[in-house]
Amino acid sequence: EAGVAQSPRYKIIEKRQSVAFWCNPISGHATLYWYQQILGQGPKLLIQFQNNGVVDDSQLPKDRFSAERLKGVDSTLKIQPAKLEDSAVYLCASSFDYDRAQYFGPGTRLLVL
Amino acid sequence: QKEVEQNSGPLSVPEGAIASLNCTYSDRGSQSFFWYRQYSGKSPELIMFIYSNGDKEDGRFTAQLNKASQYVSLLIRDSQPSDSATYLCAVRSTGGYQKVTFGTGTKLQVIP
Repeated sequence: EAGVAQSPRYKIIEKRQSVAFWCNPISGHATLYWYQQILGQGPKLLIQFQNNGVVDDSQLPKDRFSAERLKGVDSTLKIQPAKLEDSAVYLCASSFDYDRAQYFGPGTRLLVL
Repeated sequence: QKEVEQNSGPLSVPEGAIASLNCTYSDRGSQSFFWYRQYSGKSPELIMFIYSNGDKEDGRFTAQLNKASQYVSLLIRDSQPSDSATYLCAVRSTGGYQKVTFGTGTKLQVIP
């Protein structure tokens, strides 16, 4: 069974530019999560989808971050415009359902200069 | 008070010893508890999950849960240098879509 796929793996941008990340969850997983992990900290949930609907985006900085999960499969996370403090690893995870264990993709390492 | 607390470490143990990693949580109604291992530069990898009070064993790993004390631990027997990593505790809340909150992780160093 293929794991969670993410791209790109690394991205370097200048502040005020925009960037987008892509995630393909494990086949059949209804729940998809985007996390931000800053060095030395645990992952922080940005947004949680159940199929193609958002069920938790309470920690998503909505003035600059947006995410969608069209057709309940792939998802994209966008930052526009980026700030220096957005430098982090962006992790996508999926689970069979919202009450099941989460499995993480390899992450996208973002550096904002 | 943080929702999920872990000692950041590093916790150093000699090879072959038992490593004990601890986690406390604030939501008394939490139902599910997870341990993830994260190597430097890699993403978290699920090691174990536990739902009920008591112990759950999987190979060299044992998860222990005490809901009354709001405490969950991970024991690693016969520690190996390859176990050197950061161990993240995650707790699933009750209600709604059951948000999972992660601790900051404990860095484990196994000394050969």
